[in-house]
Amino acid sequence: AQSVTQLGSHVSVSEGALVLLRCNYSSSVPPYLFWYVQYPNQGLQLLLKYTSAATLVKGINGFEAEFKKSETSFHLTKPSAHMSDAAEYFCAVSYSSNTGKLIFGQGTTLQVKP
Amino acid sequence: DTAVSQTPKYLVTQMGNDKSIKCEQNLGHDTMYWYKQDSKKFLKIMFSYNNKELIINETVPNRFSPKSPDKAHLNLHINSLELGDSAVYFCASSQDPARTNYGYTFGSGTRLTVV
Repeated sequence: AQSVTQLGSHVSVSEGALVLLRCNYSSSVPPYLFWYVQYPNQGLQLLLKYTSAATLVKGINGFEAEFKKSETSFHLTKPSAHMSDAAEYFCAVSYSSNTGKLIFGQGTTLQVKP
Repeated sequence: DTAVSQTPKYLVTQMGNDKSIKCEQNLGHDTMYWYKQDSKKFLKIMFSYNNKELIINETVPNRFSPKSPDKAHLNLHINSLELGDSAVYFCASSQDPARTNYGYTFGSGTRLTVV
């Protein structure tokens, strides 16, 4: 079955430290991949997306992600964490279909300590 | 203007009641979705409509019924509410579903609490 796995339900970093949130998908066919962020009591906002144009994708707020087909991974990184980055992060995958269905990972809570 | 708007934002109701959640998008998108986010923040798709046609109908109790009067609106009606229906329900929209690389635009959610 098609799925996406986020390793680590909770990640804690210090302000200014590197942020690394992990995402792996299960498919032999590269899907479309997305990272969304959810701030408390809000909807999900698209951070970035991979659509096969380039393996290193830059998004908003200084985030980027690298698609690695050999590792079936799409990890999210940011060089220097800000307090405002504290939120829930979701990796999502979409496979070529006529439905546009997005399958979400379990989410990772990012805590940023001062 | 809010791109995808849901009403109400909060909904507290008793078991057994019937309630509706409304969603409207002004992005000109063809496809709309309902997702349920449970208490562990897991997001699962429920339904999707493309230009008023139902294209995704996941394993959801028959008490849940979506309705799309036009491609800009997708409502969710829930009959005989149960405690387990308590969750946050998100509406989302996207362009042509075959062009899934565009991603979704989400509403801010409706927090449903059944007591």
